[in-house]
Amino acid sequence: NAGVTQTPKFQVLKTGQSMTLQCAQDMNHEYMSWYRQDPGMGLRLIHYSVGAGITDQGEVPNGYNVSRSTTEDFPLRLLSAAPSQTSVYFCASSHGGDYNEQFFGPGTRLTVL
Amino acid sequence: AQSVAQPEDQVNVAEGNPLTVKCTYSVSGNPYLFWYVQYPNRGLQFLLKYITGDNLVKGSYGFEAEFNKSQTSFHLKKPSALVSDSALYFCAVRDLNKFYFGSGTKLNVKP
Repeated sequence: NAGVTQTPKFQVLKTGQSMTLQCAQDMNHEYMSWYRQDPGMGLRLIHYSVGAGITDQGEVPNGYNVSRSTTEDFPLRLLSAAPSQTSVYFCASSHGGDYNEQFFGPGTRLTVL
Repeated sequence: AQSVAQPEDQVNVAEGNPLTVKCTYSVSGNPYLFWYVQYPNRGLQFLLKYITGDNLVKGSYGFEAEFNKSQTSFHLKKPSALVSDSALYFCAVRDLNKFYFGSGTKLNVKP
């Protein structure tokens, strides 16, 4: 199994540009989520999904969109990039239920100029 | 709301000595607690979790964690630190479909 994969690994955008961060998992996990990691702030939840066709907002959803058309894929879209979105983005997946751990992708380092 | 706190930004320990990385939590129901490790330029890796039962939980790479309900703590421990344990450690609590992470503790193990 490949686990959780993310593309691209690195990306530089100009302010106002849009892009999509890709995330895929091959573990048949129902739950998928996107986080951003900033120094000293831990991981903050952007959006999450409990299954295909179902998404919900996390702690910091503004400026980001998601969709979940399949169990495997959960892309994150930046609508109009801003310098405040410079961060490292992680996708994660798990089975449902309170007691299941998440599996994380390797991350995407995004810089917005 | 659920939350976790990691009171130490950084922990320094000598190789071979025991290590502790602290975590306290605040939950409204049963706590489901996790520890993750992050090496530089990598994603987070799962170490261990507490669901219920024994207060001492054993995990990967020789790590263990002690759950203390009265003190609402879930400290990560290892009897003998290795230089290769140097990394960023995160405590987290799961509430149904959301994980809440602490701000992270950088562990430095010196030879």
